[in-house]
Amino acid sequence: RKEVEQDPGPFNVPEGATVAFNCTYSNSASQSFFWYRQDCRKEPKLLMSVYSSGNEDGRFTAQLNRASQYISLLIRDSKLSDSATYLCVAHSGNTPLVFGKGTRLSVIA
Amino acid sequence: DVKVTQSSRYLVKRTGEKVFLECVQDMDHENMFWYRQDPGLGLRLIYFSYDVKMKEKGDIPEGYSVSREKKERFSLILESASTNQTSMYLCASSSPRNTEAFFGQGTRLTVV
Repeated sequence: RKEVEQDPGPFNVPEGATVAFNCTYSNSASQSFFWYRQDCRKEPKLLMSVYSSGNEDGRFTAQLNRASQYISLLIRDSKLSDSATYLCVAHSGNTPLVFGKGTRLSVIA
Repeated sequence: DVKVTQSSRYLVKRTGEKVFLECVQDMDHENMFWYRQDPGLGLRLIYFSYDVKMKEKGDIPEGYSVSREKKERFSLILESASTNQTSMYLCASSSPRNTEAFFGQGTRLTVV
């Protein structure tokens, strides 16, 4: 069973803090990686793709470590609106996306 | 604006009923998926389809079937609903050229 593992949290952090999530994947053939965000009682939505060279989108930075088979998401200067569940995703070939169970983040005023 | 639409947000059905969950996408996507999401278990794949009239079992297909008669529509069928099928059901679609999956708003099904 090809799996994606995440720490479920919750991560409770104050506004302005920097927080990092890690995620490991078991399928070494995985080629594409993503972070999705899911708000309470809403559907998951793509936050960002994860590229081999790492990528940044504003306060969010994603990194991929193929040797150790993990990906990470770093959120700087946390906002209250960042409170959500963050889902790690791995993908291989033309197969369905494999989702982690998610990491819950609560940003506290 | 891309859209995946599920027919109901909330549904209450009785044990033993046949239940149809409908999903329609307007992005001309080849790939469509049905997941269920339960606390502590995450998203689990029930069935998926890569083309019209094609279907593949996911990780938890037992008690479910699907229908894909048209490219834009993917239906999930609970042949005889049971209480352990109470869950949030999420439909998604994607293109083979771009693996980003777009989700519907979800159907919260309660079987009593």
